[in-house]
Amino acid sequence: DTEVTQTPKHLVMGMTNKKSLKCEQHMGHRAMYWYKQKAKKPPELMFVYSYEKLSINESVPSRFSPECPNSSLLNLHLHALQPEDSALYLCASSGAGINNSPLHFGNGTRLTVT
Amino acid sequence: GQQLNQSPQSMFIQEGEDVSMNCTSSSIFNTWLWYKQDPGEGPVLLIALYKAGELTSNGRLTAQFGITRKDSFLNISASIPSDVGIYFCAGLTSGTYKYIFGTGTRLKVLA
Repeated sequence: DTEVTQTPKHLVMGMTNKKSLKCEQHMGHRAMYWYKQKAKKPPELMFVYSYEKLSINESVPSRFSPECPNSSLLNLHLHALQPEDSALYLCASSGAGINNSPLHFGNGTRLTVT
Repeated sequence: GQQLNQSPQSMFIQEGEDVSMNCTSSSIFNTWLWYKQDPGEGPVLLIALYKAGELTSNGRLTAQFGITRKDSFLNISASIPSDVGIYFCAGLTSGTYKYIFGTGTRLKVLA
């Protein structure tokens, strides 16, 4: 079983909806990540939080809004998405000491925008 | 975003055969990771490498951190049907959180 838990597993939303993806880890990691993955493609980095502060934003559109309420939780708020935003959204965590801290992924949220 | 060159892109092999795949980069990395991803699930970490020349095994899997620090290799010995999936490499430059992923190798095992 994965130690990074993501909810919901599946989400269908309309282009005018507001929804949130949630991620939780209890490995004591201080870096948390959001990745987007299209079918048959590698994960693409969206955001990184380090010690609950936004460290990296890979020029992601503002309709995606990340939030890190504490060291164990990571949210991704979604608003006014487009059909092309449909993808598998993966949360990951790692130690904040860069070396010797591999990424651990959750099982993702399969998002469909209609 | 930036991606690593991973080869082969896909492969069909017979059960019991050995498998080799590799990743190459134009940049130097301090960490190489290898993942396996099954349909509908997140990538699962297989092996982590931290030193140039390092050779690490995990059961039937063996991975190596290339001497030049610009490449890494993954070998699977005596493949079984459950080895089916997509294998990704990922590289990390020290001092960043930006793991760069390979393009993936899709493995299919014929029983």
